[in-house]
This record gives sequence, structure tokens and C-alpha cells, in this order.
Amino acid sequence: GQNIDQPTEMTATEGAIVQINCTYQTSGFNGLFWYQQHAGEAPTFLSYNVLDGLEEKGRFSSFLSRSKGYSYLLLKELQMKDSASYLCAVRDQGTDSWGKLQFGAGTQVVVTP
Amino acid sequence: GAVVSQHPSRVICKSGTSVKIECRSLDFQATTMFWYRQFPKKSLMLMATSNEGSKATYEQGVEKDKFLINHASLTLSTLTVTSAHPEDSSFYICSARDWSRTEAFFGQGTRLTVV
Repeated sequence: GQNIDQPTEMTATEGAIVQINCTYQTSGFNGLFWYQQHAGEAPTFLSYNVLDGLEEKGRFSSFLSRSKGYSYLLLKELQMKDSASYLCAVRDQGTDSWGKLQFGAGTQVVVTP
Repeated sequence: GAVVSQHPSRVICKSGTSVKIECRSLDFQATTMFWYRQFPKKSLMLMATSNEGSKATYEQGVEKDKFLINHASLTLSTLTVTSAHPEDSSFYICSARDWSRTEAFFGQGTRLTVV
């Protein structure tokens, strides 16, 4: 199984940058996902990393270091609508080559004016 | 992106009754769907993996007779909460895998309240 750890909550002001860290311990690894979830809604996909390095997608970037079991999600130019929970999820080495996602507890990001 | 539709979005039922939740992939075929449960301010807990045409694979601690999963077609999986009790009240979310894409897509979720 996996142990996935991320901070519970982070607060930042509009226009600022916030970095959400995620560490994981896994018996098998087949990629790491970041999802955004607004209260009462389903998660929406943000990013996917399977190789080491940085993936940039607009205001959001995600980094992965497999040797360290570490990832972060970087949110730039924060907007009020970015207030949400951000979920780190690890895909294990499933028998069907795709596997299943195990989620961290999520980091609640609060953006203040 | 691919669309997954989950229905109903909210349901209130009496203790002892059963509730069926549907998860449909609208524009792709999903050989695998996943059912999650989420408690307030907690993360998603994987309940089971649903494979089209075969029995679901349940995670440890999840009662398969309590949470019946059927995946009879490539676009539909259902979760039936049988003999519901107040402790079954939760947010249930499905996700479906499109083989041509890396990520899984989530339904809108179902808020179940058992009274």
C-alpha cells in the first residue's frame, strides 16, 4: 500500500504563489496525480507525473522526484477561485498495468483578498 | 475531456432501505470504474474496482454484500447500498478509466443521507 502525506491547510493571498508538498511511501509506483476538489464536488484532474522533473501547465506546475518519494504542486498568480482542496494521488503498479489511485487527505488552500 | 455522469447527486433514504447509484461514461467506453467514499474534510477512500463483465474487486474492510457493484456494460456501473444505516451516510464518487487517456475521470458524486 501507500502512505501519502500532505499538509492539511495552507493560506495565501490573491496573486501570490503557493507550493503544496506531497510525500509518499509506496510498494509500487506508476505515476502521481494532482486533483482539485471544490467542496461538495467531484475532483478535477490537474496534472500527472511519472518521470522525474517539472511539468508546467499554465498557472499550475507539478514536480516529481521518485527517488525521494516527493512531489509538489505549484500554484502561481493565485485567484480566489483557486480556494479548494488539492489532492495528491499515487497510482500503484496494478496487475492490469494501470492500477488504482490512492489519495492523500488533501490540502485545503484558502486564498484571501 | 471525457465525461462521467453520476446519478443521483443527492438522495435521502430511510434506514433499512437500499439505494442505487449509477455511474455512466458518456463519450467513452470504460472497462474499469472505481468507487470511492469520502467523509467530510477527508480524502477519497477507494471502496472497490469495478470491471466490466466480471466481479468487482473490493478493498480490505469493505463489505461486498453491503455495497453491491454491477458493471454490466462498458458505459455503466452501479453501486447499491443495501440495508442502509445512518453510518453509511457519505459522499460517494465514481471514476472511470478511458484507455486512451492517462487520467481517470470523476463523476459529480452522490451525497447519501440515511435517516
